[in-house]
Amino acid sequence: SQTIHQWPATLVQPVGSPLSLECTVEGTSNPNLYWYRQAAGRGLQLLFYSVGIGQISSEVPQNLSASRPQDRQFILSSKKLLLSDSGFYLCAWSAIKEKLFFGSGTQLSVL
Amino acid sequence: QQQVKQSPQSLIVQKGGISIINCAYENTAFDYFPWYQQFPGKGPALLIAIRPDVSEKKEGRFTISFNKSAKQFSLHIMDSQPGDSATYFCAASKDDKIIFGKGTRLHILP
Repeated sequence: SQTIHQWPATLVQPVGSPLSLECTVEGTSNPNLYWYRQAAGRGLQLLFYSVGIGQISSEVPQNLSASRPQDRQFILSSKKLLLSDSGFYLCAWSAIKEKLFFGSGTQLSVL
Repeated sequence: QQQVKQSPQSLIVQKGGISIINCAYENTAFDYFPWYQQFPGKGPALLIAIRPDVSEKKEGRFTISFNKSAKQFSLHIMDSQPGDSATYFCAASKDDKIIFGKGTRLHILP
């Protein structure tokens, strides 16, 4: 069966510090991978999606970046965090294009 | 630019009542319209979905109504139960891109 791992579950970081969130998927090959951010009152905002290794589509201008170094690994990064980067970050994968399977999320607080 | 507009932002319904959440989309290229359910501290999970060639889809107590000409679709939860209390997201997708609405926090009174 397929599983998705996302860590850490919670993270508190000072403004200006770097960020690295990792997501891995098991039990499937060549999945589509997604990063969403959930902020209060803003719903699920699509940040990045990837249809293959090294292929990243960015949806929102920001100081975040994403990379896919391996088929089932998706990394969200920032060189310098802003207060506005606080939120609940969700990684998701799909095999059938429409059905998303979400990870358990990372609650990021930038102070 | 908000491609999927969802309302209401929050909803309170008595147990046994009907919960109705509405969504509207702008891009006629969207070809798949799912609803996701999210409990606190968890990631969303697919609840039910519909394609634009169908006007209604029912799965148990959950029904999607779809109006292609109006570019609107809605989720109806019949006989709402306290366990249905959660945040619900509508979404629209085309190819590999899936866009969500802002969500509706549903609370079912016991």
